[in-house]
Amino acid sequence: ETGVTQTPRHLVMGMTNKKSLKCEQHLGHNAMYWYKQSAKKPLELMFVYSLEERVENNSVPSRFSPECPNSSHLFLHLHTLQPEDSALYLCASSQDNAMNTEAFFGQGTRLTVV
Amino acid sequence: AQSVTQLGSHVSVSEGALVLLRCNYSSSVPPYLFWYVQYPNQGLQLLLKYTTGATLVKGINGFEAEFKKSETSFHLTKPSAHMSDAAEYFCAVGGLNQAGTALIFGKGTTLSVSS
Repeated sequence: ETGVTQTPRHLVMGMTNKKSLKCEQHLGHNAMYWYKQSAKKPLELMFVYSLEERVENNSVPSRFSPECPNSSHLFLHLHTLQPEDSALYLCASSQDNAMNTEAFFGQGTRLTVV
Repeated sequence: AQSVTQLGSHVSVSEGALVLLRCNYSSSVPPYLFWYVQYPNQGLQLLLKYTTGATLVKGINGFEAEFKKSETSFHLTKPSAHMSDAAEYFCAVGGLNQAGTALIFGKGTTLSVSS
């Protein structure tokens, strides 16, 4: 496989469930990202990992918990979500997280919270 | 802080017509600008980027964009639209926000192409 791969592609979960989104990149990149894409809103940057270290972001609710065990893998752990959390969750990677570096995106996980 | 504004959430053109998608940026430092395209049920794909040097940037699929510092703009154009160009287009700037350093995106413009 090449590029950035996200699994699952679709996920339906209840508000009391716990689930995880997985992202894997085969590009040798050192930075990985989670974005949330909701209808009628700009892509929202949720988390940034650079060299497996995360910048703290207190604007994202604690029901979203990221994990980056190595430079190739990124997870987003979900628990006690709300219906408004339904969205397309996109993972991306880049060579580094300098401002002039393009990001490569996965196809996304379409999450529906019921 | 950096940000981008895309003017027009929806643009409709006829096949063979000029495509013009507008993007204005705000940045306190020299900006790094990007255009991405998203087809239905897909992730985002890079069309082109401006970092330094030539202000007219050519990308894939016949698209190009011109960086105009005096107008703080980075509009995307294509001389002749194809049906396959129908998609959502996002302008982005390399920036820093509370989540860290990453691409900061506009709201997107949906391009429709009619025959």
